[in-house]
Amino acid sequence: GAVVSQHPSRVICKSGTSVKIECRSLDFQATTMFWYRQFPKKSLMLMATSNEGSKATYEQGVEKDKFLINHASLTLSTLTVTSAHPEDSSFYICSAPKPGGKNIQYFGAGTRLSVL
Amino acid sequence: AQRVTQPEKLLSVFKGAPVELKCNYSYSGSPELFWYVQYSRQRLQLLLRHISRESIKGFTADLNKGETSFHLKKPFAQEEDSAMYYCALWCGTALIFGKGTTLSVSS
Repeated sequence: GAVVSQHPSRVICKSGTSVKIECRSLDFQATTMFWYRQFPKKSLMLMATSNEGSKATYEQGVEKDKFLINHASLTLSTLTVTSAHPEDSSFYICSAPKPGGKNIQYFGAGTRLSVL
Repeated sequence: AQRVTQPEKLLSVFKGAPVELKCNYSYSGSPELFWYVQYSRQRLQLLLRHISRESIKGFTADLNKGETSFHLKKPFAQEEDSAMYYCALWCGTALIFGKGTTLSVSS
């Protein structure tokens, strides 16, 4: 089946630095991708919808300038956590819709971000 | 506002026992509901969706619009069913998840 590749799987960075996370759809195109944040023992929180060729749509309460999303091609969306702080430490997951619709999502394996 | 509620954080059962993971939703439109599962050290994957009305790995889920529920059921739990289960609602533009229920099946 279709696969979504997410890179890196784990990143540790110093406070104040920026971190870029990539989400790639393998063998299929995705005009839309989704970014989620998963808190420990809590749900997946939708952060934003990444739209190829246009601005991302952010959910209420998510800082656009903090979490920069770029969807430059039909197979790649990136999430950049700018000026990361310890409270940004979390598990970030992306997804892309299954080709052909039906609103089924394929998920990346996630990225564990730890900000020291 | 759209919302998905999974009231149980943890459900522990013995192998062979019936399982029911509860899910309630709130949505003004026509709901499209899914169950996703995350096994240990694996990514989230689709388990089933209400439209297809199928049984996957022995699990079934029926959409009850009157009770706004989409509970996941399995008559006889297996140890390999131990995982995190998320109920999700497609709200027209994105997938909204419940908080998830950890199912633990022991022998």
